[in-house]
Parts: sequence; structure tokens; C-alpha cells
Amino acid sequence: EIVLTQSPATLSLSPGESATLSCRASQSVSTYLAWYQQKPGQAPRLLIYDASNRATGIPARFSGSGSGTDFTLTISSLEPEDFAVYYCQQRSNWPPRVTFGGGTRVESK
Amino acid sequence: QVQLQESGPGLVKPSETLSLTCTVSGVSISSLYWTWIRQTPGKGLEWIGYLYYNGNTDYNPSLKSRVTMSADTSKNQFSLELRSVTAADTAVYYCAVASSNWFDPWGQGTLVTVSS
Repeated sequence: EIVLTQSPATLSLSPGESATLSCRASQSVSTYLAWYQQKPGQAPRLLIYDASNRATGIPARFSGSGSGTDFTLTISSLEPEDFAVYYCQQRSNWPPRVTFGGGTRVESK
Repeated sequence: QVQLQESGPGLVKPSETLSLTCTVSGVSISSLYWTWIRQTPGKGLEWIGYLYYNGNTDYNPSLKSRVTMSADTSKNQFSLELRSVTAADTAVYYCAVASSNWFDPWGQGTLVTVSS
């Protein structure tokens, strides 16, 4: 099973600052990596798919990069609504298996 | 616009079967892939399995012996059965559309508690 390790566990930032979140895979996942945002009491929402593609309706301040084992989600200038928990997720093709990272909480300083 | 809604009992007794339904609107379930995912405070997000449009399935090996996913095309619904549940199966259960390598959109989730 491919393990996804997210760091840091918590990021304390102020609105307007930039956030950089990391996701490391235990073996290569090519670019088959997605990022989700989850707010309290809500389902996760897709932000980025295939490592760097923004999902429909996602603001341009969210960007993803990386390939192989190292991936980054960047939020260029935090808005108040961006304080949430972020998860990465990978899918291996054969056999089909899916794993999620443990999450990074972005909190207001 | 595709929308999903989970439904089912919020409380299940240990050793019994957890049964949930996902009602889909905005698209035929025969045209896409579907998934169930659960979330617990301890283990985080855990993928349960895929249900393909042809009725085939792939399950998480850790749950495979206890899981069945199936579709009812007449109702545009798909379902999850998890047998022999324990307290460790207490979680929020989500259904979602499964695209190539990601999930979008998700249902709002339903909390299932396993307790006597």
C-alpha cells in the first residue's frame, strides 16, 4: 500500500500570507495525486487533480505541483474561507487502490 | 449538476450489517464509476471500494471480506453493505463520483455509530 505523508500537521498563518503544504508518497504515484479541502461538518471538496489541475470553480490562488513522490499545494494569499483541513489522495492503477494522507490543518494565527 | 445523498440507519449493533444507500441525481448511475469512503477521527479518510458502471467492483483489501457494493439502476441508487461490524466501523460514510484518479463530487456524509 502506498503511504502518503503530509506535512506539517498544522500551519498557523494570517490572512494574506502564503501557505505551502507538502505530501510525500512512499513510492512513485506519477502525477496521480489529488488535493481536497475539508471544513468542519462538510464533505471534502476537490481542489486539484492529477497533481496540478484545478477543479471546476476553484480559485486561481490554489495551485498544485510535483510528480513521483513529492507534491505541493500552494495557497498564494490566504482568504478567511481557506482556513480548513487539506488532504492529498492517490490512486494506484493496478490493482486499483486508493489512499489518503493524514491531513494538514491550516489555522488562523 | 450531479448530486449525491447518503441514507441509512445511524445506529447499528455490533456483529450486525451496516447498510447505506446513495441516491444520485443529475446523471445516470449506469454512466459513471462510484465509490464509498469513510472518515474516522483515528484513521482519517479510508477508501472502501469502487463500483463500476458495468456492476464490477474493487474493494479495499482490508475490508474486502466484509463489503458488498451494488447498484439499483431503476432507482438511480447504489448501496454499501458492511457485515459483522464492530466499534471500529463507527465513522462518517461518504458516497462520491469516482473519476480517473480522484473523487468529485461527494455526498454530505452520514454518521454511522456501532453500539449496542
